[in-house]
Amino acid sequence: DQQVKQNSPSLSVQEGRISILNCDYTNSMFDYFLWYKKYPAEGPTFLISISSIKDKNEDGRFTVFLNKSAKHLSLHIVPSQPGDSAVYFCAASDGRDDKIIFGKGTRLHILP
Amino acid sequence: DAGVIQSPRHEVTEMGQEVTLRCKPISGHNSLFWYRQTMMRGLELLIYFNNNVPIDDSGMPEDRFSAKMPNASFSTLKIQPSEPRDSAVYFCASSRRDSGGELFFGEGSRLTVL
Repeated sequence: DQQVKQNSPSLSVQEGRISILNCDYTNSMFDYFLWYKKYPAEGPTFLISISSIKDKNEDGRFTVFLNKSAKHLSLHIVPSQPGDSAVYFCAASDGRDDKIIFGKGTRLHILP
Repeated sequence: DAGVIQSPRHEVTEMGQEVTLRCKPISGHNSLFWYRQTMMRGLELLIYFNNNVPIDDSGMPEDRFSAKMPNASFSTLKIQPSEPRDSAVYFCASSRRDSGGELFFGEGSRLTVL
């Protein structure tokens, strides 16, 4: 059973616009959330994270929002650039151990 | 500094054969993870080690799968016998205890079982 859900397999966004990737989770014990980015034929790379004590974390063009009551987080990319075209994985951990659970990923296409 | 190194990058084998995937984590990292990526299930955690000790292998699909970490700089994931449904990309990742959960992934081993 998927504890981390990314319900949109793909998303297309015009260059320069905002990209919003969504993620839902079911385990209320999760207290740390991460986003990873993956290009073809490469391993995922860490992008940004957020602790459950916060509701927003920003790093340049990337912002992650956390809504604990809804068990929902989102990644905003603004403005979107061609190099942002990749698969984005949402991930979560519960702090009890080092286990990190990933979603299925969302493929983002940035259109010229 | 070298990243996580996985070998082979590609493996094509026939059903029933033994497959061994290898991983060298980043020096100084004390946790090592094996993930499998498929279209249907995304990135699944198979097993992870802390200080070379297996901590959670609940994601290992069957007894055909086994993983070892004989020392801090080497781990293997073995499938014996392999089946077509094992075809996937297998990723190894490592992390430091104080890295805030950030995993460093290798480039993956793409396995095709015919």
